[in-house]
Amino acid sequence: QVHLVESGGGVVRPGTSLRLSCEASGFTSVNYETFSNYGMHWVRQAPGRGLEWLTFISYDGSNQYYADSVKGRATISRDNSKNTVTLQIDSLRLEDTAVYHCAKDALRYISSSGSPFDYWGLGTLVIVSS
Amino acid sequence: DVQVTQSPSSLSASVGDTVTITCRASQSIMNFVNWYQHKPGKPPQLLISSASTLQPGMPSRFSGSGSGTEFTLSISNLQPEDFVTYFCQQAFSLPLTFGGGTTVDLK
Repeated sequence: QVHLVESGGGVVRPGTSLRLSCEASGFTSVNYETFSNYGMHWVRQAPGRGLEWLTFISYDGSNQYYADSVKGRATISRDNSKNTVTLQIDSLRLEDTAVYHCAKDALRYISSSGSPFDYWGLGTLVIVSS
Repeated sequence: DVQVTQSPSSLSASVGDTVTITCRASQSIMNFVNWYQHKPGKPPQLLISSASTLQPGMPSRFSGSGSGTEFTLSISNLQPEDFVTYFCQQAFSLPLTFGGGTTVDLK
């Protein structure tokens, strides 16, 4: 059973940066079930609003995609040796206040869209406030 | 971007009822729709993928259908643990987009 745990949230000032981490565990290495075979996403939910997809990184880190709302301000990266994926957001805005979730592709070796998410983390809360 | 409109945003039902939730896409997305169940305090759980494929371990009272632009999630014989939130997701193209969610509550 894969388990995703996000960290790094907190209260931050507008204009500053934040680095969120997602640590994955529970991979068995049997039948190609390793972290490095799966794309990872970040999704957020602002208070009273629906889910918003933010960014994706492919299984090998070679492809990254961003939503317009964070493009140019966000960077997604992964360390397959540590089973972690990281999201850095710069120039934080009030509207970035949200719970940030990481999620794992269900299908292996996806380089863009097409896969559902089979595991999500509970999320980490980011509050941007002056 | 593909817009996804989910309806209703909430519905009231009784144990044993059958309910249907709909998601409409702004353009054809073939069968690239997934449905998730979200219980309070837990991460969302994949319920149905590719519009109609029930995930292992999920009860057979859940079913999905549709293709193109209109998709439905049906829950028959509602059980007490089904009174939670459901949302759809299109995985046809980036940016991925989600329906606004449907909360099923006890009448």
